[in-house]
Amino acid sequence: EDKVVQSPLSLVVHEGDTVTLNCSYEVTNFRSLLWYKQEKKAPTFLFMLTSSGIEKKSGRLSSILDKKELFSILNITATQTGDSAVYLCAVGVSGGSNYKLTFGKGTLLTVNP
Amino acid sequence: KAGVTQTPRYLIKTRGQQVTLSCSPISGHRSVSWYQQTPGQGLQFLFEYFSETQRNKGNFPGRFSGRQFSNSRSEMNVSTLELGDSALYLCASSSPSGHLITDTQYFGPGTRLTVL
Repeated sequence: EDKVVQSPLSLVVHEGDTVTLNCSYEVTNFRSLLWYKQEKKAPTFLFMLTSSGIEKKSGRLSSILDKKELFSILNITATQTGDSAVYLCAVGVSGGSNYKLTFGKGTLLTVNP
Repeated sequence: KAGVTQTPRYLIKTRGQQVTLSCSPISGHRSVSWYQQTPGQGLQFLFEYFSETQRNKGNFPGRFSGRQFSNSRSEMNVSTLELGDSALYLCASSSPSGHLITDTQYFGPGTRLTVL
């Protein structure tokens, strides 16, 4: 069975701190790894990673994938209260014509002023 | 462009009933995926439709079904509701290049279903 495990499950930091969120996976037929941010309702797409070692950046957020060790990290520098959210990691796997995303349980990040 | 819309936003049903949820994708998007989100199981993939055909399916029982119309709008139906079906149901649409894994998915606000 495909598994995606995120850690920590929750994290409380102060504004200005740097955080690292982890996502490890055990899947067959890996195709991609995606990060989402979920505030209140709809998850918002952050990054999609398919190749090892290539960092993707967007402002204060960055992410990298290690396909040998089967994990990804999401870094957030100089955190702000607006970064408070659940961060979801999902792995895309394919088997024949059947492709699906398997999500981790998420990391709840709380940034205090 | 308008985002993904879902209706209704909230729904209360009783066990044994059936329910239909609706999702309108972003204009021009042809792929629509459905997810179930619960506190215990997290976000789980239900199925994906593209050009009115179900392309991909997650591990849910046959009580969960869907369809897509020619305008890419999609409906999801759950029959014989169980208490455990209480969840937030999210749909997401993707750009028209066709392949799920290469397309950014944009999520709707979700439908909160409560089964009593």
